[in-house]
Amino acid sequence: QQQVKQSPQSLIVQKGGISIINCAYENTAFDYFPWYQQFPGKGPALLIAIRPDVSEKKEGRFTISFNKSAKQFSLHIMDSQPGDSATYFCAASMEETSGSRLTFGEGTQLTVNP
Amino acid sequence: KAGVTQTPRYLIKTRGQQVTLSCSPISGHRSVSWYQQTPGQGLQFLFEYFSETQRNKGNFPGRFSGRQFSNSRSEMNVSTLELGDSALYLCASSFLRTSGSLYEQYFGPGTRLTVT
Repeated sequence: QQQVKQSPQSLIVQKGGISIINCAYENTAFDYFPWYQQFPGKGPALLIAIRPDVSEKKEGRFTISFNKSAKQFSLHIMDSQPGDSATYFCAASMEETSGSRLTFGEGTQLTVNP
Repeated sequence: KAGVTQTPRYLIKTRGQQVTLSCSPISGHRSVSWYQQTPGQGLQFLFEYFSETQRNKGNFPGRFSGRQFSNSRSEMNVSTLELGDSALYLCASSFLRTSGSLYEQYFGPGTRLTVT
């Protein structure tokens, strides 16, 4: 059962633009929502994460928006750069009950054109 | 601090063989999780070890097993390999925090397993 749905599958933006990736989850027991960035040949790298008691979290050019009632969260990349071109994964876990087990979305391949 | 290391980085095996992959977590991290990444199924959780005990297991057949040693290093084993086991196997380590995320996970570069 797919518990975290991610869209779009691929995204092309121009340098300086805003990249937006969306995720929706089903299990209301999820209590931790990280975003990972993966470059070809590398493992995923933690970008930013949020817990459901916060509606927004910003770190540099990356912002997570969280809508608990809609069971949705999104990643916004401001001033997108060609170096941001990578695959992005949203994830969710139930840390209180299931430890570090992450359920991942399908991934979004982001291309930032110069 | 050194990151998560995985060995070997690449591996080619034949159907029916078995394979052992190794993961060394970040120093001080006691939790190690394993994930399988394929183009079709994405990133899927295999299992998690904490202080040498399996704490969580994903929906994979019993051919997939793992263990953790007293120094937190972990190994996973796949027996009777099938073509569908070809994947990138990722190890992630984390430590128990007292605030924020309990388990901020850091991934290694993965082991690319090809089964022919």
